[in-house]
Amino acid sequence: DIVMTQSPDSLAVSLGERATIKCKSSQSVLYTSNRKNYLAWYQQKLGQPPKLLIYWASIRESGVPDRFNGSGSGTDFTLTISSLQAEDVAVYYCQQYYSAPTYSFGQGTKLQIK
Amino acid sequence: QVQLVQSGAEVKKPGSSVKVSCKASGGTFSDYGFSWVRQAPGQGLEWMGGFIPIFDTATYAQSFQGRVTITADGSTNTVYMDLTSLTSEDTAMYYCAVTSGSGFAFWGQGTLVSVSS
Repeated sequence: DIVMTQSPDSLAVSLGERATIKCKSSQSVLYTSNRKNYLAWYQQKLGQPPKLLIYWASIRESGVPDRFNGSGSGTDFTLTISSLQAEDVAVYYCQQYYSAPTYSFGQGTKLQIK
Repeated sequence: QVQLVQSGAEVKKPGSSVKVSCKASGGTFSDYGFSWVRQAPGQGLEWMGGFIPIFDTATYAQSFQGRVTITADGSTNTVYMDLTSLTSEDTAMYYCAVTSGSGFAFWGQGTLVSVSS
């Protein structure tokens, strides 16, 4: 099984500042045949289901603000929020779909306002 | 745009079973894969298993093997998750989600299952 590990577990950032969340997979999620990383990021606000933010490690889902950026390859990935807004307070999860039809999530990173 | 509507909250006794449904609309049922994801109170997301209608096959996470069964009814575009031998540790929100191959793009509203004697 592919284990996903996020860091930190929680994070407090001032409004307008950058927030950075890391995700590491226990094995590469890069398919060499198509050069795609099978990695997604989700945002979950309190009392709501998760929302897909980014897929293929760096492609923003339609409607996601451009302050959200995904990067990385192989086993190490980063979600960056360039200028934190109040509405970005949430828990963020990474997920691998390399081993589809089985999947795994990171443990989550709680993002708060400092 | 796919919409997923799940069945309502359930209260169950330890040792019993629960069956949660997820009805899809707004897309072609066979174009997608469906998954069930569990979230215990205050905890993270845990993938339980999934179903691919075009292959009529289910896949389960190791931690739920033997206790969960996922089925689908193509005539009603509904996916079901059946969890047996419930304990208090199964108290959680259960979500269904849909993928077309690049993450879980659509999610149901969640079904709260409470297990208590």
